[in-house]
Amino acid sequence: AQSVTQLGSHVSVSEGALVLLRCNYSSSVPPYLFWYVQYPNQGLQLLLKYTSAATLVKGINGFEAEFKKSETSFHLTKPSAHMSDAAEYFCAVSDNAGRRALTFGSGTRLQVQP
Amino acid sequence: EPEVTQTPSHQVTQMGQEVILRCVPISNHLYFYWYRQILGQKVEFLVSFYNNEISEKSEIFDDQFSVERPDGSNFTLKIRSTKLEDSAMYFCASKAGGGTGELFFGEGSRLTVL
Repeated sequence: AQSVTQLGSHVSVSEGALVLLRCNYSSSVPPYLFWYVQYPNQGLQLLLKYTSAATLVKGINGFEAEFKKSETSFHLTKPSAHMSDAAEYFCAVSDNAGRRALTFGSGTRLQVQP
Repeated sequence: EPEVTQTPSHQVTQMGQEVILRCVPISNHLYFYWYRQILGQKVEFLVSFYNNEISEKSEIFDDQFSVERPDGSNFTLKIRSTKLEDSAMYFCASKAGGGTGELFFGEGSRLTVL
């Protein structure tokens, strides 16, 4: 069985501040991990994915995430928030062959204050 | 840029009525998915479809649900007799191949059951 837990349903940061969105996973097999972003009235867009290569993964829009097996975490970070980063962010897990469907977390809504 | 399109964007129906949600996946994609998100809750997997048959389904996908790819381009989700708890945003997604290829999502169809 697989699951992800996203800590914090809402995160608010100031423009230019560090963004940190937390995700912890549970998986009985080595996982593949994903972060998706959803802008208002749009579908889910892939930000980045971990598929057992480098543990630090860089994605679009300056985001990155680090896979830490010892902590079962895959937190999403961005050094400096932009107003355009305001959106809902979802962490997701799959099995290590990508055969199973994605299991999503409950999402974190990021607000960026001017 | 190719995209997954979904219709309708919003449907309101009476409890007990049949609903069909339509999706046009990206044209060269082979794997198709339906997910749903009840307001305020996590994105939940419903069903995956490959080679004209269901490859995986969740506990949510009971006998009231069915999927079909009737004409090689559309991918539909039918709910035979809607219940109040079927009210949700339904997302269609497609993927080119197996493994860790990117899952492309549509913008969703909001279903409201009264």
